[in-house]
Amino acid sequence: ILNVEQSPQSLHVQEGDSTNFTCSFPSSNFYALHWYRWETAKSPEALFVMTLNGDEKKKGRISATLNTKEGYSYLYIKGSQPEDSATYLCARDTGRRALTFGSGTRLQVQP
Amino acid sequence: EPEVTQTPSHQVTQMGQEVILRCVPISNHLYFYWYRQILGQKVEFLVSFYNNEISEKSEIFDDQFSVERPDGSNFTLKIRSTKLEDSAMYFCASSEGTGVTYEQYFGPGTRLTVT
Repeated sequence: ILNVEQSPQSLHVQEGDSTNFTCSFPSSNFYALHWYRWETAKSPEALFVMTLNGDEKKKGRISATLNTKEGYSYLYIKGSQPEDSATYLCARDTGRRALTFGSGTRLQVQP
Repeated sequence: EPEVTQTPSHQVTQMGQEVILRCVPISNHLYFYWYRQILGQKVEFLVSFYNNEISEKSEIFDDQFSVERPDGSNFTLKIRSTKLEDSAMYFCASSEGTGVTYEQYFGPGTRLTVT
């Protein structure tokens, strides 16, 4: 993997469903992985910064895991709510603090 | 809660004109950044700024671009002679510390349209 890639590109789920999406990144020169939640017309909101292999972070119903050896991170949302509808971005830091972003996963939660 | 602010929210300019995009980072933050997103593309890093000088810059950040912290609160991005391809959403961000574990807090962006 040469770039930061996210899948799926978009996701439609029903309220109450749990969902997850993937961020894949080059495993070399890894320092940190950032997850952001971005609602239309608002600032991207920082969710997590993850640095260690095996790291797990949690904020409310949202959690994330990190595998730096194989170059992937999963973001999980438990019991999705309509207010979770947003684009979720991941970004890799190679230590220079210049984040390299993926294209994002657009989540739509239907009431 | 402290937040990064950006002005204007939308700027329309003619090709060849100079534009200045303004940002007010979070007050106790030390590191400042500019990113941009061309419509339909990924968010791209432009430049980082620390201790009153550029820390890193990308290939995009050529001689047409400059950054400045003119006073204790503002952080600006200047494009000297805008091109059509400079049309994008420009985001300012700031972080509290210099380590990689610090979150970068983003502003809401300035949409630049070059005609």
